[in-house]
Amino acid sequence: ILNVEQSPQSLHVQEGDSTNFTCSFPSSNFYALHWYRWETAKSPEALFVMTLNGDEKKKGRISATLNTKEGYSYLYIKGSQPEDSATYLCAGTASKLTFGTGTRLQVTL
Amino acid sequence: GAVVSQHPSRVICKSGTSVKIECRSLDFQATTMFWYRQFPKQSLMLMATSNEGSKATYEQGVEKDKFLINHASLTLSTLTVTSAHPEDSSFYICSARARGRASGNSPLHFGNGTRLTVT
Repeated sequence: ILNVEQSPQSLHVQEGDSTNFTCSFPSSNFYALHWYRWETAKSPEALFVMTLNGDEKKKGRISATLNTKEGYSYLYIKGSQPEDSATYLCAGTASKLTFGTGTRLQVTL
Repeated sequence: GAVVSQHPSRVICKSGTSVKIECRSLDFQATTMFWYRQFPKQSLMLMATSNEGSKATYEQGVEKDKFLINHASLTLSTLTVTSAHPEDSSFYICSARARGRASGNSPLHFGNGTRLTVT
């Protein structure tokens, strides 16, 4: 079982701020790392799936990096907007997908 | 594309009754569906993996006779909470992997979840 941890648990930023959060996982027995964005009353939406050490992926103002050797992934949001407010989940796969508890982001005007 | 519909979104039932939750892939075929449970301030915990046409694989500690899973077609999986008790009150959510997509490194498509309250 992959033990996935996310920090911080919650984050409050102002519109226009850039922010980032961390997902850590055991570096041994790693297969892939997923990021999901989960807005209240909606379903989690896939952002990225990364498998290779050094992977960097970008989707608009959101990007993510992966370091499989040290066991972490960062998610970055550039110029946060109120619509970025959501819980960001990461999940690691070894034999199955294991989720972290998420980082709850609140962006205010 | 890749829409998963989960129904109902919210259900309140009396202790001892059974509740069925449906998870449908609307625009793709899902050979594998996953059922998760989430307690407040905790992560999504995998309960079982449902494969079309075969028995579900349950995670350790999940009672298969209490949480009945059926995956009768490539677009529908159901979770039935039998003889529900207040401790079964939780948030249940399904996800699906599209047919033909490799396990692990392909994204999952989630339903909206079901909030179950047992009184």
